[in-house]
Amino acid sequence: EAGVTQFPSHSVIEKGQTVTLRCDPISGHDNLYWYRRVMGKEIKFLLHFVKESKQDESGMPNNRFLAERTGGTYSTLKVQPAELEDSGVYFCASSQESRGYEQYFGPGTRLTVT
Amino acid sequence: GNSVTQMEGPVTLSEEAFLTINCTYTATGYPSLFWYVQYPGEGLQLLLKATKADDKGSNKGFEATYRKETTSFHLEKGSVQVSDSAVYFCALLRGGYNKLIFGAGTRLAVHP
Repeated sequence: EAGVTQFPSHSVIEKGQTVTLRCDPISGHDNLYWYRRVMGKEIKFLLHFVKESKQDESGMPNNRFLAERTGGTYSTLKVQPAELEDSGVYFCASSQESRGYEQYFGPGTRLTVT
Repeated sequence: GNSVTQMEGPVTLSEEAFLTINCTYTATGYPSLFWYVQYPGEGLQLLLKATKADDKGSNKGFEATYRKETTSFHLEKGSVQVSDSAVYFCALLRGGYNKLIFGAGTRLAVHP
């Protein structure tokens, strides 16, 4: 069974540009999560999809971030326009059920905004 | 609010040394507690978990006991190996919720 994959593994962009991160969850997992780790600090929750619906987006920092999950399969996270403080590692996770089921994480995308 | 506090790293040990990484939490209700590990170049992997007070999670020689009275979930291993070098994250999940709340992570470096 393939794990959670994320693309790209690393992205370097200039302030003001747009970047789109992609996450492919484990096949059959309805739940998809985005998290972010900034500058060696704690990993923070961004949002949670159940299939194509946003279940909880309480962690999204501002309206420069847009997450989608069309068709309930892969998800994208767009940052537009990027700011310096958006630099960090963006993790995606998926789970088969919600409410306490194990979340399987991808390797992360390291975003550097210069 | 809900939060997790881990000891700051890096932790540097010699092979076969005893490891303790402290983790304390603040949470309403009765959370589940987790340790995740991130090896170099890889994603987060669940190392062990405990879902209620006094439960002991264990895996790969690592152990952690859910201590409600001290709100702690310290990670221990009796004899570390070089291959244990990684970043370790303590996390909690509140009952009925889906978002994990993580600590800042502790980097462990084990030297031969």
